[in-house]
Amino acid sequence: EAGVTQSPTHLIKTRGQQATLRCSPISGHTSVYWYQQALGLGLQFLLWYDEGEERNRGNFPPRFSGRQFPNYSSELNVNALELEDSALYLCASSLAVSSYEQYFGPGTRLTVT
Amino acid sequence: GQQLNQSPQSMFIQEGEDVSMNCTSSSIFNTWLWYKQDPGEGPVLLIALYKAGELTSNGRLTAQFGITRKDSFLNISASIPSDVGIYFCAGRTATGFQKLVFGTGTRLLVSP
Repeated sequence: EAGVTQSPTHLIKTRGQQATLRCSPISGHTSVYWYQQALGLGLQFLLWYDEGEERNRGNFPPRFSGRQFPNYSSELNVNALELEDSALYLCASSLAVSSYEQYFGPGTRLTVT
Repeated sequence: GQQLNQSPQSMFIQEGEDVSMNCTSSSIFNTWLWYKQDPGEGPVLLIALYKAGELTSNGRLTAQFGITRKDSFLNISASIPSDVGIYFCAGRTATGFQKLVFGTGTRLLVSP
């Protein structure tokens, strides 16, 4: 069974640009989560989507947004990029709203110059 | 953002030794998860705990959900070189919905 996949693996942008990151959950999983992991730091919760709806968001500015598609894949958009947005962005999925076991993808390394 | 306190921050041990690490919080958690992350990769779920006092094993790994619900422990027995990586605890509060709060990580190095 395929795990969570993310694309692209690496993304280089300049300050002020927009970045779009993509995630495909494990087959059968309906919930998708996004986390930011800055270099040397732990994971910070960004967003949670389930059944196409945003269910919860972490303490991040509105320029971090996303959506979930009918096939449960998800996009994370980061507008007006700032240097401190450089980080590993991790997507995770879980079987259902009632499942707390989240399975992670390999991440997208975003570098803002 | 909120993070759990994890200790030790790093460990350097000899192959074959046992390892213990823990995670503490000032808040009560209803779920504890332990993950391992290799460099440049996403975290891999090792063990999930759902009840206070619960003790769960996964091969050489054993984790416990503290009875106060404010801490959790992970033990690795007879360590091997492939145990090298960063171990994260993660917890979910009763009001946190699906949001996981992650620990600061324990970096484990194993010398052959």
